[in-house]
Amino acid sequence: AQTVTQSQPEMSVQEAETVTLSCTYDTSESDYYLFWYKQPPSRQMILVIRQEAYKQQNATENRFSVNFQKAAKSFSLKISDSQLGDAAMYFCAYRTNYGGSQGNLIFGKGTKLSVKP
Amino acid sequence: DAGITQSPRHKVTETGTPVTLRCHQTENHRYMYWYRQDPGHGLRLIHYSYGVKDTDKGEVSDGYSVSRSKTEDFLLTLESATSSQTSVYFCAISESDRAGYTFGSGTRLTVV
Repeated sequence: AQTVTQSQPEMSVQEAETVTLSCTYDTSESDYYLFWYKQPPSRQMILVIRQEAYKQQNATENRFSVNFQKAAKSFSLKISDSQLGDAAMYFCAYRTNYGGSQGNLIFGKGTKLSVKP
Repeated sequence: DAGITQSPRHKVTETGTPVTLRCHQTENHRYMYWYRQDPGHGLRLIHYSYGVKDTDKGEVSDGYSVSRSKTEDFLLTLESATSSQTSVYFCAISESDRAGYTFGSGTRLTVV
């Protein structure tokens, strides 16, 4: 079974600085998707970024980018120019591309990010 | 333009009482999911549905049942609520079994 590990329960960053959140996963599959979700205090789950495993290029969305290392099974999220609104819980998630009953999102336990003014 | 709504947003109930949480979507997505979120555990899948009347168990399904009689509605029922079911419950929808999820805003359930 696939697993997702976020080894940093909490992290802190100074406003305008850059921070990297770590995520590793375990799978025997070669085709899958990886996601980062943000959960601010409002509790809403917001999709930040999505990476397809067969794509070599790292996904980027404005100030958010990933470092996808397929061989190492690592999927870190980099937040540049951190803003106070980035303070949230961040979840890494995995989904197989083979669909069916295996195609459910598997989440890590989350990293709580604080942003200091 | 939420596309997915959960009700109620908050609920307090007593141990042993039945509770039903509702998830309603307007996106006509085939797949619907119920997760619970607990500190230190992330989100864990309770049940999911891949079509009307087609449901299956997830990782933490004990004590929960679901029903989906219409594409737009997915109900989660706690037959006899226990304190261990105090949690935040999220519903999610997905267009396919390979797409990302869209989440509802969650229901905070407290069992006293």
